[in-house]
Amino acid sequence: AQSVAQPEDQVNVAEGNPLTVKCTYSVSGNPYLFWYVQYPNRGLQFLLKYITGDNLVKGSYGFEAEFNKSQTSFHLKKPSALVSDSALYFCAVRDSVTGGGNKLTFGTGTQLKVEL
Amino acid sequence: DSGVTQTPKHLITATGQRVTLRCSPRSGDLSVYWYQQSLDQGLQFLIQYYNGEERAKGNILERFSAQQFPDLHSELNLSSLELGDSALYFCASSPPDRGAGANVLTFGAGSRLTVL
Repeated sequence: AQSVAQPEDQVNVAEGNPLTVKCTYSVSGNPYLFWYVQYPNRGLQFLLKYITGDNLVKGSYGFEAEFNKSQTSFHLKKPSALVSDSALYFCAVRDSVTGGGNKLTFGTGTQLKVEL
Repeated sequence: DSGVTQTPKHLITATGQRVTLRCSPRSGDLSVYWYQQSLDQGLQFLIQYYNGEERAKGNILERFSAQQFPDLHSELNLSSLELGDSALYFCASSPPDRGAGANVLTFGAGSRLTVL
């Protein structure tokens, strides 16, 4: 069964510093990987995805993620954090094996706190 | 506004009761997904429909059922409610399988269910 792991419940970073939110995955076949962000009392918003191609994926709001097949990781990064980036971040995976629909399996989430 | 509409936003009911949550997908999207978000279980996939037919099933209890209607809106029915069913229920939609953005789920703002 496909799964993702987000090893950190919370990440704290100072505004202006680079941030990394970690994610590792486990799938059969090639992975489709996603990052979503959830602000308080809101639904999840899509940030970026990796399907195939370049290992460095650029997404919304200056975020990017690096796909590493050998380490089965898909860490989310941003060169310079903003206080407004503070939110709950979810990594998700969809198995590329057909027949299972497009459902995503989400990690447990990482709370990002950016402080002045 | 994501384009995915969920009603009601909040719902308070008693144990043993039955409720119906409604979701209207984004215009043009054929798939609807239901997820449950709770503090102890995280984001759990419940069920997916594609153009009116069940496509994938996750950790959905037998007390829960869903359907997608010809106009593509979906309803999630929760019956014999228990305290543990209190959660945020999200609906998401995605475009046709081979369309642009087929793998990206767009989430609604959620329906918060409180069972007393």
